[in-house]
Parts: sequence; C-alpha cells; structure tokens
Amino acid sequence: NAGVTQTPKFRVLKTGQSMTLLCAQDMNHEYMYWYRQDPGMGLRLIHYSVGEGTTAKGEVPDGYNVSRLKKQNFLLGLESAAPSQTSVYFCATADTGREQYFGPGTRLTVT
Amino acid sequence: EDKVVQSPLSLVVHEGDTVTLNCSYEVTNFRSLLWYKQEKKAPTFLFMLTSSGIEKKSGRLSSILDKKELFSILNITATQTGDSAIYLCAVIYGGSQGNLIFGKGTKLSVKP
Repeated sequence: NAGVTQTPKFRVLKTGQSMTLLCAQDMNHEYMYWYRQDPGMGLRLIHYSVGEGTTAKGEVPDGYNVSRLKKQNFLLGLESAAPSQTSVYFCATADTGREQYFGPGTRLTVT
Repeated sequence: EDKVVQSPLSLVVHEGDTVTLNCSYEVTNFRSLLWYKQEKKAPTFLFMLTSSGIEKKSGRLSSILDKKELFSILNITATQTGDSAIYLCAVIYGGSQGNLIFGKGTKLSVKP
C-alpha cells in the first residue's frame, strides 16, 4: 500500500524542454490535484480532477496541461519549460470533501 | 477574493514552551478547515475541523474552529525540537469538488 507516489523525485530541464510528471495512487480516491510550492507563496493549485477523464483549472494553470486517463494516475505536463516553473510540485488525492493526502513531491529546476 | 491568512509567519521558541498558531479565512461556501504539518517533504494531515467550538486533540496538539469569527487556532504544548516544521492551514470551500485554499504557513522553530 504505497499511498501517493510521484515520479520523478528530481529533474533539471533546460528552457524550452518538455516533461511529464506522474502521480499514482492506490487509495481509490476520486479527486486528484497538482500543486506547486514556492518560497513565501505557499501551496498553489495548478489543475485538479474530480474523476477519470475529467480535469479542471486551478489557480495557476498557465504553462501546464494534465490528463487523467485512469483513476489511479494523474499526469502533469510542461510543454515548453520556463525558469518561472522552477518549483516543488506536489500531487494530492482525496475522497469527496475530505482531507487531501500528499505525495512526496518533485523538485524541478529549469535553467 | 477567497483567502486564508496565517500568523505569525515564523516563530522561534524553546523546548517546553506552549505555542498558538492562528489561521483566519474569508471564503465562499466554507466547508471545513484543515491543519497540516510540513517538515522537509510532503505536508502531513493533522486535523480537520467542520463544527465550531469542538476541540480536536492529538497528544500535545489541539485545534479549535470559530465559524462566527472565521478563524482557527492550533495549540502545541510542551514543545519539542521534533515539532519544528511549517504548519499549514487550509480551507475546503465551494462546490462538491472540495478545493483547498492554503495559507502561506507558519514556520515554527523549537530550540533545545
């Protein structure tokens, strides 16, 4: 029972490169979320999903895309990375209206 | 604009002290308030508060919600160095998707 896992743990990209972050959960939660955390800014919601095949924008969606093809996986894509996207990315899952459980995070640096 | 404000932003205490962390909120359609502890990695869940005046307690940590005044406090008694962390307050609000809005956190440092 792994809970919420994220792949990769660390990544360094050059400006303009693309990548996909994977979040996987074995908690059978319907809701999944992607956040970024920056110093002094707290956790900010990028995109979220309320079920397989559905996604919606959060507070800071620009420059990111997501997909939820399977209930247990939520992918976050950066099509053309920018230095402003240097951050720590957290995935979270939840049951309806309940507390969110977070993955271990991915530290991304864009040079 | 929906917002969650935590205070203080940082706090330094000595082992054995008692601390009180504050969280105030202004959101549309409030549902619940959550407290998380974040050490060097992912936030870990502490409490979920939905009703006013009912204290939630876990060991040396306790929390209470005031829905009339729109705030919550997190108390930590007899602090230990292991309590050093960032404490995050978040509010579930809005429709059925249960989105969270986070405060910026309080960084607590407990010195031996």
